[in-house]
Amino acid sequence: NAGVMQNPRHLVRRRGQEARLRCSPMKGHSHVYWYRQLPEEGLKFMVYLQKENIIDESGMPKERFSAEFPKEGPSILRIQQVVRGDSAAYFCASSLNRASGTDTQYFGPGTRLTVL
Amino acid sequence: AQTVTQSQPEMSVQEAETVTLSCTYDTSESDYYLFWYKQPPSRQMILVIRQEAYKQQNATENRFSVNFQKAAKSFSLKISDSQLGDAAMYFCAYRLTQGGSEKLVFGKGTKLTVNP
Repeated sequence: NAGVMQNPRHLVRRRGQEARLRCSPMKGHSHVYWYRQLPEEGLKFMVYLQKENIIDESGMPKERFSAEFPKEGPSILRIQQVVRGDSAAYFCASSLNRASGTDTQYFGPGTRLTVL
Repeated sequence: AQTVTQSQPEMSVQEAETVTLSCTYDTSESDYYLFWYKQPPSRQMILVIRQEAYKQQNATENRFSVNFQKAAKSFSLKISDSQLGDAAMYFCAYRLTQGGSEKLVFGKGTKLTVNP
């Protein structure tokens, strides 16, 4: 299966712990996006990355949240000192190439984070 | 700011009938992309259909088609011959491109129920 992979699918953390969410884009895709979905809401953009670069993090909370997409390995969304309000589904999407003008974002299955 | 509005929180349709989901958006751009994504109970985000704004012809994918009215900034989704497997949340999305970045802006979604 060459789709976008996310793990874990479900993650439970206690308040104050760290959460690490992983995303492997589709084969050949070099653009990764993270979105957050709160209950009963649509998806909200968080960050857009290319290999080793953060292109746009305008949707990321200023504190506790960070993202990376290293040269090798998956993209990581890291949430430090989690609070109950961080409980949500976090989706990763990948696309092939902006320059083509036809790139579509394909989504992974999401990680459901629950903060106790 | 670009916004996407889905005015129908819930819709229902009888199996084999046709249903139309509404979406309007706000933008000052002349060239852009619009999408419909489906989110079944598994929560996976699945691309249903895509429309490029510069194309006057409405996009079609099997039983799914759109009515794209650029002047009215309307992008409705028509599902023909509805099937039980079509039951899901449907999200309309606009691809915002600005300042070297791009992101999807989502509506709040429409929950579609298919009655046997």
